[in-house]
Amino acid sequence: QQQVKQSPQSLIVQKGGISIINCAYENTAFDYFPWYQQFPGKGPALLIAIRPDVSEKKEGRFTISFNKSAKQFSLHIMDSQPGDSATYFCAAGGRGSNYKLTFGKGTLLTVNP
Amino acid sequence: DARVTQTPRHKVTEMGQEVTMRCQPILGHNTVFWYRQTMMQGLELLAYFRNRAPLDDSGMPKDRFSAEMPDATLATLKIQPSEPRDSAVYFCASGLVVDGTPSTDTQYFGPGTRLTVL
Repeated sequence: QQQVKQSPQSLIVQKGGISIINCAYENTAFDYFPWYQQFPGKGPALLIAIRPDVSEKKEGRFTISFNKSAKQFSLHIMDSQPGDSATYFCAAGGRGSNYKLTFGKGTLLTVNP
Repeated sequence: DARVTQTPRHKVTEMGQEVTMRCQPILGHNTVFWYRQTMMQGLELLAYFRNRAPLDDSGMPKDRFSAEMPDATLATLKIQPSEPRDSAVYFCASGLVVDGTPSTDTQYFGPGTRLTVL
């Protein structure tokens, strides 16, 4: 079964700190690894995504680190802000899975002011 | 501002009743996904369509759930009969899959339908 394991389930950081969320996948056919952000009462929205031909992608304060050999990827949020408080989902998919996404269980991030 | 729309946003019904949820994908998108979100299971893919044809509905309880795309601008998810365990938030997402195009993987989610079955 295709699985994506995400940790931690919840995370509390102080404003200005670094938030790190980790994911691991099993299916080597995956070739697309997005992170989605979800606020209460809203649908998930794409935050940032990476493909396995690069080991890191940065967009503003958000960085994905990707380790193909370990089949792991992580989201780093630098200078975390209270407005970043949300649930974050990693996912895996791409052409190898006919463009279906398999999601991790999510991480509830709380950034204290 | 193109977005996925879903109706109704909230639905409360009694066990045994039929529930129909509707989704309007972003105009021009050719792929539609139905997800169910619960605290215990997270986001589960129920079914998805490409060019209105069902590609995979293995995540859906076949005896009570059905999904269709009557036309390119409407996707429906029906539960008959509904049960309390179906209480969840149901999301529709759409995307434009053009094989070989790097941006083809992005899925755009609607606001969801929060279903409560009493």
